[in-house]
Amino acid sequence: QSVLTQPPSVSGTPGQRVTISCTGSSSNIGAGYDVHWYKQLPGTDPTLLIYDNHNRPSGVPDRFSGSKSGTSASLAITGLQAEDEADYYCHSHDSRLRGVFGGGTKLTVL
Amino acid sequence: QLQLQESGPGLVKPSETLPLTCNVSGGSINSISYYWSWIRQPPGKGLEWIGSISYSGSTDYNPSLRSRVTISVDTSKNHFSLKLSSVTAADTAVYYCARHITAIGAFDIWGQGTMVTVSS
Repeated sequence: QSVLTQPPSVSGTPGQRVTISCTGSSSNIGAGYDVHWYKQLPGTDPTLLIYDNHNRPSGVPDRFSGSKSGTSASLAITGLQAEDEADYYCHSHDSRLRGVFGGGTKLTVL
Repeated sequence: QLQLQESGPGLVKPSETLPLTCNVSGGSINSISYYWSWIRQPPGKGLEWIGSISYSGSTDYNPSLRSRVTISVDTSKNHFSLKLSSVTAADTAVYYCARHITAIGAFDIWGQGTMVTVSS
């Protein structure tokens, strides 16, 4: 059971907008700690997609956006493309457990 | 361009100690701006942070693993290491090393990962 809760899977068709939620608690996201998002293609290492809730590293398309409110955060992907099919993980800090990840969400592009 | 590369045994026997090293190339490990971290991923499962170390040797461990984990740094060799003791099958995973940016808290550079199986 992960400290941060993500839906196991989401899906969408090309061109659609999908969102992935990440729900925490008052000891992590709700305590004001920032949320980061990673994309992991099968058999590869994760890559940083969003940092500090809504910032994109250079090279990440603006189709990817992040937000945070209360004890939750969200990753939104617009203009869905086949190459977006991957696992996505949220990550934050917890005052007791230190570094914590969500359980991951598998995005399927139909 | 900074790169990280994990190395170590692919097979470890139960109750023994798992040793891994992460070699940092293309840049120096000597920086106040980063922590150097270990993260693992059991087959078909999610990511779990193991612990982090600064260039000066300050450490931070996952409370659930703290009693079995030791992370060390060797600045002369530009690498850092993980030792996980008393391993069981539950420790079977892909182990990643990663750079943690202190100012923002995210892992921005990852190694390719190394699969470690715990089995007799």
